[in-house]
Amino acid sequence: DVKVTQSSRYLVKRTGEKVFLECVQDMDHENMFWYRQDPGLGLRLIYFSYDVKMKEKGDIPEGYSVSREKKERFSLILESASTNQTSMYLCASSRRDLNTGELFFGEGSRLTVL
Amino acid sequence: GQNIDQPTEMTATEGAIVQINCTYQTSGFNGLFWYQQHAGEAPTFLSYNVLDGLEEKGRFSSFLSRSKGYSYLLLKELQMKDSASYLCAPGYGGYNKLIFGAGTRLAVHP
Repeated sequence: DVKVTQSSRYLVKRTGEKVFLECVQDMDHENMFWYRQDPGLGLRLIYFSYDVKMKEKGDIPEGYSVSREKKERFSLILESASTNQTSMYLCASSRRDLNTGELFFGEGSRLTVL
Repeated sequence: GQNIDQPTEMTATEGAIVQINCTYQTSGFNGLFWYQQHAGEAPTFLSYNVLDGLEEKGRFSSFLSRSKGYSYLLLKELQMKDSASYLCAPGYGGYNKLIFGAGTRLAVHP
């Protein structure tokens, strides 16, 4: 069964802490994405990566960075967490194919910053 | 950004048919996805339209008009388990970057 696995389902952090969210996929997908989902705003793209060591800013990259050292792993980093980063974070992966490109999502990581 | 417009909420009766509309910007558009998301769960793929027309997949169908920047998801023979949010997501550019709408929350009642 194909899978996108996020390291933590629930996290509680304090303002100013450094936070790592890890995502691993076992489908050999080229593309990986980090979204955050907030009520009434839908999913918003933070960063995406189309290859190892490559990254592109999404629509809301401020306050975040990413790392893709291996094809199967894409990490989201909050250098100094703030309360407005309390959200549900969803990782996804897809093949590099414009004719399909279906996103496979992880279960999500719900982050609360106090 | 690519503004995506879909209704916030809809209600329908078990066994009925419901149509969820979505409009999007056409510049750089590749194709359009529909995802279903139950409360507290990750989105799951429903359909992908690249060409104009209707694609049917069991009780669910999806329609696309590229020139009008318009799509709809049609759900037939509604069941209680269809109560969920439905996300419209057009893809843009060389990497087919998906931009998601805020979602339509559908409530199916007996």
